[in-house]
Amino acid sequence: QVQLVQSGSELKKPGASVEVSCKASGYTFTDYVLNWVRQAPGQGLQWMGWINAKTGNPIYAQGFTGRFVFSLDTSVTTAYLQISSLKAEDSAVYYCARGNADNFHSSDYWGQGTLVTVSS
Amino acid sequence: DIQMTQSPSSLSASVGDGVTITCRASQSISGYLNWYQQIPGKAPKLLIYAASSLRSGVPLRFSGSGSGTDFTLTINSLQPEDFATYYCQQSYSTPLTFGGGTKVEIK
Repeated sequence: QVQLVQSGSELKKPGASVEVSCKASGYTFTDYVLNWVRQAPGQGLQWMGWINAKTGNPIYAQGFTGRFVFSLDTSVTTAYLQISSLKAEDSAVYYCARGNADNFHSSDYWGQGTLVTVSS
Repeated sequence: DIQMTQSPSSLSASVGDGVTITCRASQSISGYLNWYQQIPGKAPKLLIYAASSLRSGVPLRFSGSGSGTDFTLTINSLQPEDFATYYCQQSYSTPLTFGGGTKVEIK
């Protein structure tokens, strides 16, 4: 069965960096894109962008350029989100989700989420 | 960017009630509209894609309709497990955008 398993919660100080991983299994990794979605405390869902697992080409939404980097390691079917120069407002739950082009680019499977807390 | 506006932002209903949530896009998105359910503390779950296609395993009391700019999610006969927040999302063009969410609470 399809599974996306994310790395655990992180507590970081402002200015530090963090890497969130998303391990995929149960499907052909390179046949889909991986979306990244942010949810700030008590807020709605915000699409950060996606990375094409076949080409490695990322697309970033406005507001998620520069400090945010999507990457892949296809040998271990894992996607990564790196955030540098962390700010308090980066505190949120970050989700990876498989994007299915056959189903109108809907996100049909989601990771469990990774809580990133930025605090001094 | 395409803006997605959901209404209402919250509603109260009883078990067994029917409810309808609407989602409006700032421009035509054809049928590229998806609906997700999120229970507090959990990841979102896809319910409907392509405006009206029910994802396998999702109960038949959920249905979606619409095209162009106006869409609806209908839940017939609310069950206790349906009390959650619902989000629409357009996948017509990047950046993919979500509506603000509709919280369905128990009356």
